[in-house]
Amino acid sequence: GAVVSQHPSWVICKSGTSVKIECRSLDFQATTMFWYRQFPKQSLMLMATSNEGSKATYEQGVEKDKFLINHASLTLSTLTVTSAHPEDSSFYICSARRDRKNTEAFFGQGTRLTVV
Amino acid sequence: RKEVEQDPGPFNVPEGATVAFNCTYSNSASQSFFWYRQDCRKEPKLLMSVYSSGNEDGRFTAQLNRASQYISLLIRDSKLSDSATYLCVVTKGGGADGLTFGKGTHLIIQP
Repeated sequence: GAVVSQHPSWVICKSGTSVKIECRSLDFQATTMFWYRQFPKQSLMLMATSNEGSKATYEQGVEKDKFLINHASLTLSTLTVTSAHPEDSSFYICSARRDRKNTEAFFGQGTRLTVV
Repeated sequence: RKEVEQDPGPFNVPEGATVAFNCTYSNSASQSFFWYRQDCRKEPKLLMSVYSSGNEDGRFTAQLNRASQYISLLIRDSKLSDSATYLCVVTKGGGADGLTFGKGTHLIIQP
């Protein structure tokens, strides 16, 4: 089956620093990837849609200057949390679909970010 | 009204019992529907897609009622390994590709 790999699995960083999270589709090309965030006991919330070769589409309320998304190739999307603060601590998960017709979404393993 | 609404539970069910979860969604433009399973501190994994005609996969049966915007999941002969959070998921619709997740229903199978 399709595999989406996310790295790192967990990261602890100091307040004010930036953290980059990578999401790779290992056995298929993903023109679109999605970034979600999940706070404890909450549902996954879509943050943005990452489009290969073009700008990401952000959901309402998500700051595009704080959460930088780059989708430079068909197998890699990155999410950079800039100037991280403790309230950014969360579980970040990426997902991708093999194609638009196949609507099953494959998820990365998630990144647990703790900002201290 | 929340986009996807589920009873968070927890549902404590003895091993071997049958358990059913329900979910309602508010976006009538949603076209595709899924049940995902999420174990603690893990990523969600697809359990099954949900079709209007209903579908069954082993001990799991899913049904969709578009008129009522209602989705259900039935688990028969529950196993200890079925303990997890079950997420009701719908596509955003209207040409958008993203998914909208319910908060999930926490199921605990007791020996």
